[in-house]
Amino acid sequence: NAGVTQTPKFRVLKTGQSMTLLCAQDMNHEYMYWYRQDPGMGLRLIHYSVGEGTTAKGEVPDGYNVSRLKKQNFLLGLESAAPSQTSVYFCASSYPRQRANYGYTFGSGTRLTVV
Amino acid sequence: ILNVEQSPQSLHVQEGDSTNFTCSFPSSNFYALHWYRWETAKSPEALFVMTLNGDEKKKGRISATLNTKEGYSYLYIKGSQPEDSATYLCAFAPFGNEKLTFGTGTRLTIIP
Repeated sequence: NAGVTQTPKFRVLKTGQSMTLLCAQDMNHEYMYWYRQDPGMGLRLIHYSVGEGTTAKGEVPDGYNVSRLKKQNFLLGLESAAPSQTSVYFCASSYPRQRANYGYTFGSGTRLTVV
Repeated sequence: ILNVEQSPQSLHVQEGDSTNFTCSFPSSNFYALHWYRWETAKSPEALFVMTLNGDEKKKGRISATLNTKEGYSYLYIKGSQPEDSATYLCAFAPFGNEKLTFGTGTRLTIIP
């Protein structure tokens, strides 16, 4: 049981380049989330999805886009990377809160540096 | 933006001692409070999801209590071991909102 898998694990981008981070989960979770982790700050929600074909903005959505074409996958896109997007990105998944007794399951993170 | 605060920011505890730390969250519109353990170079792992005022949950040497009326939760570790060294995160879920707001964590270091 792989849980939540993020690819890639590390990436260095030049300012203005684009990239897509992939999150895949095999637990049949309805909900999926993208967070960023910066020094001195808590995990901040970028975008989330409550089901296939749906997405919604979180706390810090600017500069990112997401898609949830399949239930098991949640993609995070950076169209034109900026140094401010240097961060560690975590994907997570969960059941709907009514059944979320076990909390979120997190991926291992993607460390992104934009130079 | 919801305010979720954790204290202390960091803590050094001698192996074998017991310790506790605090998570403060809004006392209104409460739905759930989560605790996670985050070891270095790993991903956060869920410890507890608490929903009822007065609830107490336990997993081995770790336990947590919840007071939704005053907006705080305590995490206790009894007889600390080196493997307890980690950052402990709490996260607040308000009613009617699917989004968790995380605190910045308490970094616990166990001194052998």
